Amino acid sequence: NAGVTQTPKFQVLKTGQSMTLQCAQDMNHEYMSWYRQDPGMGLRLIHYSVGAGITDQGEVPNGYNVSRSTTEDFPLRLLSAAPSQTSVYFCASSRLGTDTQYFGPGTRLTVL
Amino acid sequence: GQQLNQSPQSMFIQEGEDVSMNCTSSSIFNTWLWYKQDPGEGPVLLIALYKAGELTSNGRLTAQFGITRKDSFLNISASIPSDVGIYFCAENTGNQFYFGTGTSLTVIP
Repeated sequence: NAGVTQTPKFQVLKTGQSMTLQCAQDMNHEYMSWYRQDPGMGLRLIHYSVGAGITDQGEVPNGYNVSRSTTEDFPLRLLSAAPSQTSVYFCASSRLGTDTQYFGPGTRLTVL
Repeated sequence: GQQLNQSPQSMFIQEGEDVSMNCTSSSIFNTWLWYKQDPGEGPVLLIALYKAGELTSNGRLTAQFGITRKDSFLNISASIPSDVGIYFCAENTGNQFYFGTGTSLTVIP
């Protein structure tokens, strides 16, 4: 099992560019989520999904879109990157209704 | 969202010392979770607590669910260099996880 994988590991964007952060899991988990981690602020939930075809907003959804067409994949899209989106992004998955989330290694994004 | 305040924000300790950190909330919780994030990696769940007053251990780690249900404590005994990292408390409200601001631990050999 690879667990939760994220690509790319690092990315630099210019303001206004778009990109997609990829996340995949091979544990057949129903629940998947995206967080951003900023210094002194912990991890904040951006979007989450409880199954294929179902997504919902978390604490800080503005500027981000998600979709869940398969159980395995949960991409995060930035349509028009802003410097305020400079952060480390983590994807996580878990069995629905459980507390053990498995996190990916993170994507460090810089927006200039 | 939920406000989870962790203290201290950072700790520098000598190897072998015991460590204590806590997390407080403005709301009553039904679950307290403690995660550890190693440098450059994603967080990993250490301990989950489900009942007020509950005391749970995982090796050298012990966590307690506060009686008021608004706080939780994590203790690490006889610290070692690999304990270095950021420790987060978290709550699961059903489908949304809220994380605290984290306590950064540095262990000096």
